Amino acid sequence: QKEVEQNSGPLSVPEGAIASLNCTYSDRGSQSFFWYRQYSGKSPELIMFIYSNGDKEDGRFTAQLNKASQYVSLLIRDSQPSDSATYLCAGLGSSNTGKLIFGQGTTLQVKP
Amino acid sequence: NAGVTQTPKFRILKIGQSMTLQCTQDMNHNYMYWYRQDPGMGLKLIYYSVGAGITDKGEVPNGYNVSRSTTEDFPLRLELAAPSQTSVYFCASSQNTEAFFGQGTRLTVV
Repeated sequence: QKEVEQNSGPLSVPEGAIASLNCTYSDRGSQSFFWYRQYSGKSPELIMFIYSNGDKEDGRFTAQLNKASQYVSLLIRDSQPSDSATYLCAGLGSSNTGKLIFGQGTTLQVKP
Repeated sequence: NAGVTQTPKFRILKIGQSMTLQCTQDMNHNYMYWYRQDPGMGLKLIYYSVGAGITDKGEVPNGYNVSRSTTEDFPLRLELAAPSQTSVYFCASSQNTEAFFGQGTRLTVV
């Protein structure tokens, strides 16, 4: 079992809709989780991080963490064609090991 | 600040050759990582380091070696290159929060 799992997609949503991206993890000791966006041919860039149960909002983005279910999600409101990219979920290992593991990424397509 | 710098950006290697991918960061980060990304896939952790003199294996360490003699540098060594090592390699650094990535090295083994 991979430590961090995502549905590879593609996930296709119309412009203006809400895109919901999901991620599960197996290491119960993982404390921090990250969502990165990666455009084709480019390096990943951080969108948000979350380490407390519940929701964290930043503009059009909301990250959700449920440690009991070992589940992390990212909601993108008012999706724009410029949001079309691959979204990578990552978890930081427990006990300050520094081990940062990524999922396989979900490709999002926002259609005008 | 340059951030994380990787060299080279592109390289073609013959089967059995060796090479070192260079990575340096100027943010005084303790944590550094090497990932590989195959087409249409996520990032797979090869090796990581939590500080100078300390390295540990990631998910796919076979065929690679690393060293961390300074805080700034974290080179990745490929010995006896194989076609399966054709990939894009990313180096990253962090202070245990946001990881900053280099521009990547596209390596082809023929």
